Amino acid sequence: DGGITQSPKYLFRKEGQNVTLSCEQNLNHDAMYWYRQDPGQGLRLIYYSQIVNDFQKGDIAEGYSVSREKKESFPLTVTSAQKNPTAFYLCASSPHTDRPDNEKLFFGSGTQLSVL
Amino acid sequence: QKEVEQDPGPLSVPEGAIVSLNCTYSNSAFQYFMWYRQYSRKGPELLMYTYSSGNKEDGRFTAQVDKSSKYISLFIRDSQPSDSATYLCAMLRGGGYQKVTFGIGTKLQVIP
Repeated sequence: DGGITQSPKYLFRKEGQNVTLSCEQNLNHDAMYWYRQDPGQGLRLIYYSQIVNDFQKGDIAEGYSVSREKKESFPLTVTSAQKNPTAFYLCASSPHTDRPDNEKLFFGSGTQLSVL
Repeated sequence: QKEVEQDPGPLSVPEGAIVSLNCTYSNSAFQYFMWYRQYSRKGPELLMYTYSSGNKEDGRFTAQVDKSSKYISLFIRDSQPSDSATYLCAMLRGGGYQKVTFGIGTKLQVIP
């Protein structure tokens, strides 16, 4: 089955620790995205990547880092600089980056990150 | 003022009722409108996708866009307990999904 796989489902971070959230897709999509979801707020874009080896900051990139070494993988690292990391993190992908008229945005099942 | 406004609810309805979910927006440049369904602690699932104004129907779901009023709606007919979820509206000007704006979501509960 084609889709987007996020792991782990739940993750706990200790003070001063960096943690990495995994996102893998087998949809052959060019573009991938990381969103953060907090109660009472809409999804907010952290980072996005339109092609391999290239990525751009979204609206709330501070305290996060990403890499895009392979088309199918887009891991997100939550660094110790992110002081309020507790949230539900969603990875998404779309076939292309600039043709929304006939292409859609698909999401993974999410990772809940909590601070110990 | 937020670009996209959505009542968070919760909205409780009896099974079989017609449900109306709505979003308003302020940016007249939005051209693409989407509705996502999100079950608790799961990723959003695309339900409906419309371009510009008009209606689109898919089974029990109807999406309606009124660009003159900057208002979009999702109607669910014959609602089922399995429809209980949070419904997110999303809008896009064009130029890539990195520019999509989401509403905060309306939590719907369909009571058997």
